[in-house]
Amino acid sequence: DTGVSQDPRHKITKRGQNVTFRCDPISEHNRLYWYRQTLGQGPEFLTYFQNEAQLEKSRLLSDRFSAERPKGSFSTLEIQRTEQGDSAMYLCASSLQATNTGELFFGEGSRLTVL
Amino acid sequence: QKEVEQDPGPLSVPEGAIVSLNCTYSNSAFQYFMWYRQYSRKGPELLMYTYSSGNKEDGRFTAQVDKSSKYISLFIRDSQPSDSATYLCAMKSDNAGNMLTFGGGTRLMVKP
Repeated sequence: DTGVSQDPRHKITKRGQNVTFRCDPISEHNRLYWYRQTLGQGPEFLTYFQNEAQLEKSRLLSDRFSAERPKGSFSTLEIQRTEQGDSAMYLCASSLQATNTGELFFGEGSRLTVL
Repeated sequence: QKEVEQDPGPLSVPEGAIVSLNCTYSNSAFQYFMWYRQYSRKGPELLMYTYSSGNKEDGRFTAQVDKSSKYISLFIRDSQPSDSATYLCAMKSDNAGNMLTFGGGTRLMVKP
């Protein structure tokens, strides 16, 4: 399967714990994005990488959130001191071209439940 | 008020019906308009992309953009049960970097 892969698919944690999600993009894609989607809502942009450089961050990305993309391949999104409001689906996407053309390839998401 | 608004539905239609899905937006800087389809427990997938105003057709799908009214539409002809999904509109402006702004999605159910 050459699509975008995300792990874990579902994470249940207690408030205050740290969680980390991993995204493996389509291998030839140099652009990688993280979005967050809550129930009944559309995805909200979190951050964007071009190769290993994190070029854009949303105001939604508080200090408790950090994302990395070492060596420009896979990416991780860490949430420290989780809060119940962090419960959401975290979607990773990758692309070869700029988003003007709209073609983002999304993974199936990592669902976070904070108790 | 959100930048991009969509009726959440659900919209229920019989198989074979013509479906009309719509989004309104407030940011006049949006230039790039997309429709994504999202099946339950899956990531969104791109259906249609349109730059600026006008129509675009692809098989059973037609996308329309009316920038003067800040209104975009997706029409699905001869709808099939396999079209049952959530349809998300997404938009981008030139000054927004690589960020897409999504609507909340409309859930469509096509009944056999």
